[in-house]
Amino acid sequence: NAGVTQTPKFQVLKTGQSMTLQCAQDMNHEYMSWYRQDPGMGLRLIHYSVGAGITDQGEVPNGYNVSRSTTEDFPLRLLSAAPSQTSVYFCASSPDDYYSGNTIYFGEGSWLTVV
Amino acid sequence: GNSVTQMEGPVTLSEEAFLTINCTYTATGYPSLFWYVQYPGEGLQLLLKATKADDKGSNKGFEATYRKETTSFHLEKGSVQVSDSAVYFCALRMVTRRALTFGSGTRLQVQP
Repeated sequence: NAGVTQTPKFQVLKTGQSMTLQCAQDMNHEYMSWYRQDPGMGLRLIHYSVGAGITDQGEVPNGYNVSRSTTEDFPLRLLSAAPSQTSVYFCASSPDDYYSGNTIYFGEGSWLTVV
Repeated sequence: GNSVTQMEGPVTLSEEAFLTINCTYTATGYPSLFWYVQYPGEGLQLLLKATKADDKGSNKGFEATYRKETTSFHLEKGSVQVSDSAVYFCALRMVTRRALTFGSGTRLQVQP
């Protein structure tokens, strides 16, 4: 039972570098999303997708790109890393049948440090 | 907009003490409400949920009741254990937006 799988778990980047955080789910969920977690602020939504080929911005999208070419994968790209992007990133997925009670499942997180 | 407010931590308790973590929300409409738990170094796991007013979610000895009149979803446990030490997040979800809106989290430390 893989669920939501994120890679890498830890990464250190230099300012200005780019990188991609990978996310895959094997539950055939239509809805996928990326959150970042910062101390004292809970989790904030970066981008989300309601199906292959469809993406939209969340609360804090600047500096990040996403794409959804398949149902299973939803990578998050940092275009030019900045120290303000030092955070823990969580990928999540859920069935997308317009029922707000559906559980959103989270990956184990990716700890990113930008120096 | 929608928002969730949780009591600030850390909350420090002795083993077998009674736990309450307060959570109130603001939402336009009727959200579903969730409690997630994050153990050290791990991701978020769903602890319990409630999808309509007066519903009670429960799991692993934790309970929370969806109170529409007070817009609250307080988390309770009658007797905490050291293994319950974690960060607890209250969250809501609206069908129109699909994403979760989180509170800032409450760290619980249980001492033996």
